[in-house]
This record gives sequence, C-alpha cells and structure tokens, in this order.
Amino acid sequence: AQKVTQAQTEISVVEKEDVTLDCVYETRDTTYYLFWYKQPPSGELVFLIRRNSFDEQNEISGRYSWNFQKSTSSFNFTITASQVVDSAVYFCALSEEVDSNYQLIWGAGTKLIIKP
Amino acid sequence: KAGVTQTPRYLIKTRGQQVTLSCSPISGHRSVSWYQQTPGQGLQFLFEYFSETQRNKGNFPGRFSGRQFSNSRSEMNVSTLELGDSALYLCASSIGGRATNTEAFFGQGTRLTVV
Repeated sequence: AQKVTQAQTEISVVEKEDVTLDCVYETRDTTYYLFWYKQPPSGELVFLIRRNSFDEQNEISGRYSWNFQKSTSSFNFTITASQVVDSAVYFCALSEEVDSNYQLIWGAGTKLIIKP
Repeated sequence: KAGVTQTPRYLIKTRGQQVTLSCSPISGHRSVSWYQQTPGQGLQFLFEYFSETQRNKGNFPGRFSGRQFSNSRSEMNVSTLELGDSALYLCASSIGGRATNTEAFFGQGTRLTVV
C-alpha cells in the first residue's frame, strides 16, 4: 500500500535559521505525483509544489527549495532564512492510480514553529 | 477572484442525524474534491467530482456521499452520524484534470462536531 511518512511531528527554530522538512514515500507505481501543502492556523491548505515521478530536478522558489530523490523515495522541503510567517503545518502528499482510481495520500504533517 | 467557499463554517449535530455540507469552487474550476481531517487519522481523501460525476473515491463507508451540480458547486452528505465523524471537512477545487494530480485550491473547511 502507498504511504507517506513525515517523521518530524514538530520542529521549532529561531527566525532566520534554515529548516528542512522530511518526506519519505512508498509506492509501487512508476508514475505518481508528489505535493507539498502548507496549512496556516486559518485552516485552508495552500499549494506549494507538485512534482511528477519523471522529474527529479530540484526546485527553488524564493526561500523555498525541494529535493526530490527517487533512489531514497524522498521529497524534502527546505526553508532558507525562516520567518515567523512560515509557522504552519506542512503536509507532503502522494498521488497515484490504483485500479483506475486516483487517490491522494497525505503524510501526518509537520508543525513548524518559527520563534522571533 | 473569489476563493473556494465552504458553508457552514461550524456545525454541531447529534449522533444518528444527517448533515449536508456545501462547497462553491473557484469560478471556472470543474473539479471538486473533499477531504476529512481529524487529529487521529490526519487528512483523508473522500471523493472527487468532475462535471457532475464522481471520478475518484477514497476508502469511506457509504454513509459518506456527495454530488456536484451543473454550476460545479458540490455538496457532501453524511448520514447516520457517528461521534467519529467529528472532523474538519475540507473542499478543494481545481481547474480541470484530476484533482489528485494538479494544484488544488482549498476552502477553510467546515468544522463538524457530533455529540
């Protein structure tokens, strides 16, 4: 069965520190998609990035960067020079097809606390 | 442009009752998906609708059902409520494709409490 593991339940750092959120996934499919979403206290999930299984290029967007490694089934997310506004719960998710039915499997989330 | 709107924001129901939650997607978005979020089980995919048809389904009992109207608005219904159905129910819309494969825009959710 597919699975997404975010081993870090909670991370607390001081503002301006770099922080990496880990995501490890399991799938038997060769075609799948990986996502990161952010959930601030207001509740709505905010899309950050999508990666398909054929694209292993790392991505950088401002202070955010993602490292996708198929060899270790990991899709880690790094925030550089963290800010208080980055405080939120971050979810990693895996999408794959099972018997013509697509499902989105979510990790348990990592609560990130950025202290001023 | 307006985001995804979910109503009501909060709801308290009694065990055994049924409930209907509503979701209005972003204008032009044809795919609507629903998720349940609880402290114990985390985020779980319920189902996805596209052009009034259920396209994908998660592993929930038949008490959970949904529908989508011609204007893409969607409703989710839970019958015979159980205490364990207490959760934040999130709706997401995407412009097309499969909601599970593309960027999705989420509403703020409906907090359902079953007593």
